[in-house]
Amino acid sequence: GQNIDQPTEMTATEGAIVQINCTYQTSGFNGLFWYQQHAGEAPTFLSYNVLDGLEEKGRFSSFLSRSKGYSYLLLKELQMKDSASYLCAVADSNYQLIWGAGTKLIIKP
Amino acid sequence: IAGITQAPTSQILAAGRRMTLRCTQDMRHNAMYWYRQDLGLGLRLIHYSNTAGTTGKGEVPDGYSVSRANTDDFPLTLASAVPSQTSVYFCASSATSGSRDEQFFGPGTRLTVL
Repeated sequence: GQNIDQPTEMTATEGAIVQINCTYQTSGFNGLFWYQQHAGEAPTFLSYNVLDGLEEKGRFSSFLSRSKGYSYLLLKELQMKDSASYLCAVADSNYQLIWGAGTKLIIKP
Repeated sequence: IAGITQAPTSQILAAGRRMTLRCTQDMRHNAMYWYRQDLGLGLRLIHYSNTAGTTGKGEVPDGYSVSRANTDDFPLTLASAVPSQTSVYFCASSATSGSRDEQFFGPGTRLTVL
């Protein structure tokens, strides 16, 4: 079967750094996405990785290891507005996205 | 219209009733998707369309149908609603069905079936 695992909830302090992990087992791999979803709102795109390594985009970075079936999203200089759920999704062999349940990130002052 | 819109925003529906959720995008995207999101579960794909005139079944298609008569519109119909279809429904679109393309999501429809 296909499976995406992420921690259910994480807590971090404003100004700090947090790493959200995602492990996956899917039938085929055509890239991994991270989305942000604020409570009551739609998901919005953060990053896409298809090759191993780190992709940096401002305060957010995303890492992929295809051999380990592993990715992480790194958020630096945390702000209160970063409180949200972070969704990991893998494009499978049919290019359909398989979604994790999301990690709820709570930022404390 | 800017981006992707959905209607209604929320709806309470009696079991057994027929309901159509509407989705419209103005980005001229070829691919469109319908997901449901339930607490503790990831987004699950109901149906998709890679281009106007074609549709396909996703992970959880039973009880739902779609049509794609043109590029912009992708309605989702529940023929006879059941309580297990209580969920938040998101419509999404992407430029193509290729893997690199990010999906843009509508604001969602919160549906309660009693």
